[in-house]
Amino acid sequence: SQQGEEDPQALSIQEGENATMNCSYKTSINNLQWYRQNSGRGLVHLILIRSNEREKHSGRLRVTLDTSKKSSSLLITASRAADTASYFCATSTHGNNRLAFGKGNQVVVIP
Amino acid sequence: GAGVSQSPSNKVTEKGKDVELRCDPISGHTALYWYRQRLGQGLEFLIYFQGNSAPDKSGLPSDRFSAERTGESVSTLTIQRTQQEDSAVYLCASSSDRDRSPLHFGNGTRLTVT
Repeated sequence: SQQGEEDPQALSIQEGENATMNCSYKTSINNLQWYRQNSGRGLVHLILIRSNEREKHSGRLRVTLDTSKKSSSLLITASRAADTASYFCATSTHGNNRLAFGKGNQVVVIP
Repeated sequence: GAGVSQSPSNKVTEKGKDVELRCDPISGHTALYWYRQRLGQGLEFLIYFQGNSAPDKSGLPSDRFSAERTGESVSTLTIQRTQQEDSAVYLCASSSDRDRSPLHFGNGTRLTVT
C-alpha cells in the first residue's frame, strides 16, 4: 500500500510566512525523504531524515520525525515566491528497494 | 555533471500503438527506478533495476508494460497496445547505491493516449 500521506493537500501563504506540511505513514521505516516538484519537472531531493533522527535542518528547511506517531513535518521558514511547488514525502522501508511517495502538498507563495 | 535525461519529453500516441520511453541515468548510478504520475497525483512505483537486473518489477500494472536496462546504463520502458488510462507522466530516477539514498529524477515523459 502507498505510504506517506501529506496533510494539508494545498496551502496558500504570503511571502515571508512559514509553511508547514505533515506526512504520516503506516509501517516501520528506514528513512523518510522530502522532495519538491515544480510544475512540469521532475522531483528534486530536499532532505533525508533517518529513523533514529528526530530533527534535521537544511537552510530554511526543518524536518521533524516522530516514529512513535509515524509522522513527519516539513517547515519552510521565511517563504519565497520561488518556493511555490508541490512537496512530497517518501518513505524507505527495510527490505524494500522502492521509495513510497505520498500524494503531495501544493504550496503557493504569494509575492 | 549531467543529470538524468528522459526522452521524448512528450509523446502523443493513438490507442493500441506501442511506445518506448528512454531513460539515461547519471553515469555510475547502479540503481534505476521508473515511476508513473497521473495528473495531480503522487508517484506510483513501476520497477526497480540494480545494475541490469530487475529484482522488483511488482509495480508494473499489466503484462503490456515491460522494461529493460543494458550496460548498467540506459533503460527503456515499453508499453504495448496503449490504452487511454496509460496517459500519465513517466518519471525515471537513479541513485548511487541500493541503500535508498536520495533519488535523482529526470523531467519525465508526458504520455498522452488518444
